[in-house]
Amino acid sequence: EPEVTQTPSHQVTQMGQEVILRCVPISNHLYFYWYRQILGQKVEFLVSFYNNEISEKSEIFDDQFSVERPDGSNFTLKIRSTKLEDSAMYFCASSEPFPGRVRNEQYFGPGTRLTVT
Amino acid sequence: AQKITQTQPGMFVQEKEAVTLDCTYDTSDQSYGLFWYKQPSSGEMIFLIYQGSYDEQNATEGRYSLNFQKARKSANLVISASQLGDSAMYFCAMRAPGDKIIFGKGTRLHILP
Repeated sequence: EPEVTQTPSHQVTQMGQEVILRCVPISNHLYFYWYRQILGQKVEFLVSFYNNEISEKSEIFDDQFSVERPDGSNFTLKIRSTKLEDSAMYFCASSEPFPGRVRNEQYFGPGTRLTVT
Repeated sequence: AQKITQTQPGMFVQEKEAVTLDCTYDTSDQSYGLFWYKQPSSGEMIFLIYQGSYDEQNATEGRYSLNFQKARKSANLVISASQLGDSAMYFCAMRAPGDKIIFGKGTRLHILP
């Protein structure tokens, strides 16, 4: 069964460093997303991406964040200068539009646990 | 603005019993989708079930069913014949037209042997 994959599973970085989190969405999906979950809290939407551009972003997704689809398979989230409060689990998700209706399920990757020290 | 409310932070249920996890939502949109995800201790998010706002029948997926009461804006998850492996965090979520999914705070379910 096709699945979303994410690398690395765990990333430790020092405050102020840049990190790139990588995702490979399901191959025939057209919509891609990033979410984060601070430990013990709910999952929060960061950004959605379609047709090589951001379609929606939350207030969390400030200038320190960027997303890219550098080739036909990868989808990346970059944090330019990490802060302690960026420590969280970051989930990538993808979905295939359901014609004529609200799109249905997003399939989540296993997550990357980012620890900023 | 859309909102998801899960009022049960934690639940303890005896194995083999049915369990209902509560979820209410708030939206002014007519077209929306409701989801339940399971998050075991390993951390991944597992899609369980989906209900569209225009679906007339309650969604079912194996032991999972969604008790959708549109007028009350509730979308409770029912797990029949609970198993030890059902112990996990469960999130109710909603998507409106557009891309964002918003999640509730979750319910931690403990299945007791």
